[in-house]
Amino acid sequence: RKEVEQDPGPFNVPEGATVAFNCTYSNSASQSFFWYRQDCRKEPKLLMSVYSSGNEDGRFTAQLNRASQYISLLIRDSKLSDSATYLCVVTDSWGKLQFGAGTQVVVTP
Amino acid sequence: GAVVSQHPSWVICKSGTSVKIECRSLDFQATTMFWYRQFPKQSLMLMATSNEGSKATYEQGVEKDKFLINHASLTLSTLTVTSAHPEDSSFYICSARDRASYYEQYFGPGTRLTVT
Repeated sequence: RKEVEQDPGPFNVPEGATVAFNCTYSNSASQSFFWYRQDCRKEPKLLMSVYSSGNEDGRFTAQLNRASQYISLLIRDSKLSDSATYLCVVTDSWGKLQFGAGTQVVVTP
Repeated sequence: GAVVSQHPSWVICKSGTSVKIECRSLDFQATTMFWYRQFPKQSLMLMATSNEGSKATYEQGVEKDKFLINHASLTLSTLTVTSAHPEDSSFYICSARDRASYYEQYFGPGTRLTVT
């Protein structure tokens, strides 16, 4: 079983619409949670950290559910530039990052 | 913000040769650097963790004699793929952790290796 699992997508989203997707993690001792964005053939870039109480950064909202061991990302008012692969990342107690394989989002005009 | 560079950004080499990839933290000191590998449509897989001045710690299944890591200074780590084979073709990404941050890692732009 993979440490971090994501729906690979693609999620095809009309411009201006809202899209949401989850990620599940297997290690209940996981310490920190992040969403990264990766464009094709590029390195991952930190989008946002995910806090227990949930947090928002502009059009992006992240939620954490420790009991069910999943985190979510919601993108409102999607822009064409939001098209990317979104990586769910979880750290273990040694600070190592565990990456999901990513969820592809395609925003269409 | 913290910047990490990698060189080269892409390389094509013949089977059996060795390739060295450099990872540099440009504006901060990185006590720890990480090397990842990513195959198409797959997640980044941690290969090894390198701490300045000490031997790298390799993840299970990663051959330390094949992937040589040297972290000689607080701003430079190198990964050498020895006797490369076509199955080593992949996207290699390094990241560096600032002294001040335990969890945040800054990623380099990656090196695309193709072995023919």
